[in-house]
Amino acid sequence: QSVLTQPPSASGTPGQRVTISCSGSRSNVGSDTVNWYQQLPGTAPKLLIYSNNQRPSGVPDRFSGSKSGTSASLAISGLQSEDEAEYYCAAWDGSLNGYVFGTGTKVTVL
Amino acid sequence: QVQLQQSGPGLVKPSQTLSLTCAISGDSVSSNSAAWNWIRQSPSRGLEWLGRTYYRSKWYNGYAVSVKGRITINPDTSKNQFSLQLHSVTPEDTAVYYCARLVGGAPDIWGQGTMVTVSS
Repeated sequence: QSVLTQPPSASGTPGQRVTISCSGSRSNVGSDTVNWYQQLPGTAPKLLIYSNNQRPSGVPDRFSGSKSGTSASLAISGLQSEDEAEYYCAAWDGSLNGYVFGTGTKVTVL
Repeated sequence: QVQLQQSGPGLVKPSQTLSLTCAISGDSVSSNSAAWNWIRQSPSRGLEWLGRTYYRSKWYNGYAVSVKGRITINPDTSKNQFSLQLHSVTPEDTAVYYCARLVGGAPDIWGQGTMVTVSS
């Protein structure tokens, strides 16, 4: 059902840098801005990055986003134990005329 | 700050209508810069956007292809809330349902989520 493709898992030790990819198409990532969400177990997704690379107030600058063509990435620098969560990318899809989400990436802090 | 509070039953029988409400505080359902969305999440379908309602001099709605024909999202300006109705539900509609505000292209504020099970 998910239109955007992400790796199922990623991991790192505390302090390391972890990168998560998000692959889409011309009708979504390629033509609109990408947003990223962090979801802790049992809670609603929280907006982490909007408009490709903007952080809402309160989000640490350890989190950064980028986009190129039909792909986007989320980077977590200086990984911390509290970063262990599921991460989703999302974007508007002009062909489907709806908002689409990624498949999700589980980040584990070793 | 903006908060969304969801309410509605957690158990619905097959073929019946799922109904949820999302009460808004700190913003207006009639805002000219926000859209009010329903999104659901299940292990089999992941995060799935269902639809939205928004006001831009008049009311507009938009629905996902996957549920079009079965879904209605309505604003209630008198109570500053919006609702979801999903008709003719099946066990495939079992999921956690979220309401969310979309501003500037991103759902930024989410409700607490409601686990809805479709079962007899």
